[in-house]
Amino acid sequence: AQSVTQPDIHITVSEGASLELRCNYSYGATPYLFWYVQSPGQGLQLLLKYFSGDTLVQGIKGFEAEFKRSQSSFNLRKPSVHWSDAAEYFCAVGASKAAGNKLTFGGGTRVLVKP
Amino acid sequence: NAGVTQTPKFQVLKTGQSMTLQCAQDMNHEYMSWYRQDPGMGLRLIHYSVGAGITDQGEVPNGYNVSRSTTEDFPLRLLSAAPSQTSVYFCASRRTGRNQPQHFGDGTRLSIL
Repeated sequence: AQSVTQPDIHITVSEGASLELRCNYSYGATPYLFWYVQSPGQGLQLLLKYFSGDTLVQGIKGFEAEFKRSQSSFNLRKPSVHWSDAAEYFCAVGASKAAGNKLTFGGGTRVLVKP
Repeated sequence: NAGVTQTPKFQVLKTGQSMTLQCAQDMNHEYMSWYRQDPGMGLRLIHYSVGAGITDQGEVPNGYNVSRSTTEDFPLRLLSAAPSQTSVYFCASRRTGRNQPQHFGDGTRLSIL
């Protein structure tokens, strides 16, 4: 069965500093990986996704993520955070075969941005 | 486009009451799903549907029923609410095709007393 672990429950970062959110997955075949962001009181918005090809993926809002197969990781990064980046971030893995909507989500990392 | 619309946004129920959470999408997506979000546990899949007339169970289906009579609507029913079902519920939809990204509604916050 597939699983996703986000080791950091909370991260506090100063505005303008860099941010890295960790995501480790467990899946027997080629994973399909996603990062979503959730602002307070809202649904989830897709930041970026990885299916194949270049292991460094660019997303919206200045985010990028790097797929490292050897480490089973898909960490999310942003070089310089803005106050509006304060939100909860979810990593998710999807099955490589047609399996309906079966995304498995990590527990989330809440990002707090200090002025 | 409205995208994925969930109603209501908030609801308080008493134990044993029944309720239907509504979900509608106007993107002609075949796949729809329901998740519940609990602190520290991310989103867990309750039920999903790959098209009208077809539904299947997800990770945590007990206590919930679904139906999919049209492409647009995918209601989630709680037949006899329990305090353990206090959660935030998200509906999502996506296009046909492997691993298309999901579009989420804004959620329904449900409290069972």
